[in-house]
Amino acid sequence: QQQVKQSPQSLIVQKGGISIINCAYENTAFDYFPWYQQFPGKGPALLIAIRPDVSEKKEGRFTISFNKSAKQFSLHIMDSQPGDSATYFCAAWDNYGQNFVFGPGTRLSVLP
Amino acid sequence: DGGITQSPKYLFRKEGQNVTLSCEQNLNHDAMYWYRQDPGQGLRLIYYSQIVNDFQKGDIAEGYSVSREKKESFPLTVTSAQKNPTAFYLCASSIVAGGGSPGNEQFFGPGTRLTVL
Repeated sequence: QQQVKQSPQSLIVQKGGISIINCAYENTAFDYFPWYQQFPGKGPALLIAIRPDVSEKKEGRFTISFNKSAKQFSLHIMDSQPGDSATYFCAAWDNYGQNFVFGPGTRLSVLP
Repeated sequence: DGGITQSPKYLFRKEGQNVTLSCEQNLNHDAMYWYRQDPGQGLRLIYYSQIVNDFQKGDIAEGYSVSREKKESFPLTVTSAQKNPTAFYLCASSIVAGGGSPGNEQFFGPGTRLTVL
């Protein structure tokens, strides 16, 4: 059973478009939500993260929106570029289990 | 140049063999982790270590073993008891155990792809 649900599984966006990836959870012990970017054959790299007392965080072209009441958060990539083509993972810190729980990932392809 | 190194990049194992994956970090991080990544699935925690000479089982520890004799090193042994070991293995570290706060996210190594022949 996935503790963090992520959608879509794959996403194709034209260059310059907006990429949106959504995650949802039910466990109220989840606290702190990072996103990771992974290129093929490489380890995931931290992209951006948000605390649950903040509704939005922006870093360059990347924005996290967080809805605590709905237990949902999303990653928006503005002006998507071919170099953004990668797999993106959302994650949540489990205060009870004392570990990060990861979503299954979204494979993003940005067409030139 | 600080970071996490994993070796080898590719590893092939015959059935019934034990193999050891190396993970070294020079970030002076206290906590280290091993994850397994399968296609279409998120990262699943195998083992983690908060300090030297101590480690804890994660969600899928069966068939794996670890040691933490040095702060910088956290090798993972995939034993013959692991029924389906073919996967991409990722090592990670964080400043301290406990996560869940800015600056204490996990940093990942480049991974080792293990294939059982």
